[in-house]
Amino acid sequence: DAGITQSPRHKVTETGTPVTLRCHQTENHRYMYWYRQDPGHGLRLIHYSYGVKDTDKGEVSDGYSVSRSKTEDFLLTLESATSSQTSVYFCAISESLVTDTQYFGPGTRLTVL
Amino acid sequence: QKEVEQDPGPLSVPEGAIVSLNCTYSNSAFQYFMWYRQYSRKGPELLMYTYSSGNKEDGRFTAQVDKSSKYISLFIRDSQPSDSATYLCAMSADYGQNFVFGPGTRLSVLP
Repeated sequence: DAGITQSPRHKVTETGTPVTLRCHQTENHRYMYWYRQDPGHGLRLIHYSYGVKDTDKGEVSDGYSVSRSKTEDFLLTLESATSSQTSVYFCAISESLVTDTQYFGPGTRLTVL
Repeated sequence: QKEVEQDPGPLSVPEGAIVSLNCTYSNSAFQYFMWYRQYSRKGPELLMYTYSSGNKEDGRFTAQVDKSSKYISLFIRDSQPSDSATYLCAMSADYGQNFVFGPGTRLSVLP
């Protein structure tokens, strides 16, 4: 998975609790992305980062926030998890902007009860 | 209507068959096209990347883009059981714009 790790790999939590997912890369790529994948919807972009402290919203950003304090780490936070945020979350990286090849991490399976 | 559509499958074929996977889209501005393969419980991995119309071949895989019909295809020749996976198409309108992914087609190649 191109030097990308995600933690945790699985998490079960309750509605209303905060959750933070971590993506860590060893490739020194500038761009990092968070997607969610749901049956029938494919991959949908939540947020992406184009540098340390530089982030922007994607298609489905409501209810999510991100932070990137180091090149190698990109955090996704659900401030107050809801059942609709039950999904598989993928981190991706690329050297240049989105038209370049994106390499995906192994995914985090999140269940919100 | 979704911006990018794929037949969800599952598509089951015998080993050695030629497989055709397809996506249709509604945004005529799309000009960057990708195909990803995703094994169960893994992240997607890039298979093919094409710009604008035409064909591109890589080993057993051929990608075709028909912008006039808003239709892209991925052909797999001599399919193998190891090709069993979900195939996602993705496309973008312009440099700097994020890709839109199709929902994926699940393929099973039976030995």
